[in-house]
Amino acid sequence: DAGVIQSPRHEVTEMGQEVTLRCKPISGHNSLFWYRQTMMRGLELLIYFNNNVPIDDSGMPEDRFSAKMPNASFSTLKIQPSEPRDSAVYFCASSSPGTGYEKLFFGSGTQLSVL
Amino acid sequence: AQTVTQSQPEMSVQEAETVTLSCTYDTSESNYYLFWYKQPPSRQMILVIRQEAYKQQNATENRFSVNFQKAAKSFSLKISDSQLGDTAMYFCAFMVPGGSQGNLIFGKGTKLSVKP
Repeated sequence: DAGVIQSPRHEVTEMGQEVTLRCKPISGHNSLFWYRQTMMRGLELLIYFNNNVPIDDSGMPEDRFSAKMPNASFSTLKIQPSEPRDSAVYFCASSSPGTGYEKLFFGSGTQLSVL
Repeated sequence: AQTVTQSQPEMSVQEAETVTLSCTYDTSESNYYLFWYKQPPSRQMILVIRQEAYKQQNATENRFSVNFQKAAKSFSLKISDSQLGDTAMYFCAFMVPGGSQGNLIFGKGTKLSVKP
């Protein structure tokens, strides 16, 4: 298995632009998570999906952030409009009952820089 | 609210020696999971070891072992025979099963450098 695949690996954009981060979970995993990592706040859960349905989005910082999971093999995290304080590494992770829901497999992350 | 504290921002160890990374946590839950994740310069988060709170036996994975002290809410990671490839950030994490599933609470991390 290729693992959790995230794209792009790096994204540089200007303030006010729309940014879309993409994630392909491991095939067969039915839970998907978006995390954000910053120096100040460390790693934080933004949102998670179970069977493509958003279950908990309490970590989403504000309305500029939105996430979708149109099918079991794809999810997006969108920021519109982006701001410099959104600069961070964004991780996607997935899990399944077969491997234990508590065992998360992480992608390599997207390094976002908003200028 | 659950919290995870890693009191050592940075540590170093000589190759082939043993090092212990500290982690304490705070929770009122009785059933939970504890984890150590490794984040090398490649940035990917890699699960090193996992411990279920109801198990008294400490988890081990090859050169990695934990010292789980439930009453003290302590969960340290011991790396034996350190290798250059162990150089990475190490994060302690906590999760309560059920509820907000997948909500790993992470510590701030310890940067480990293994020196030749």
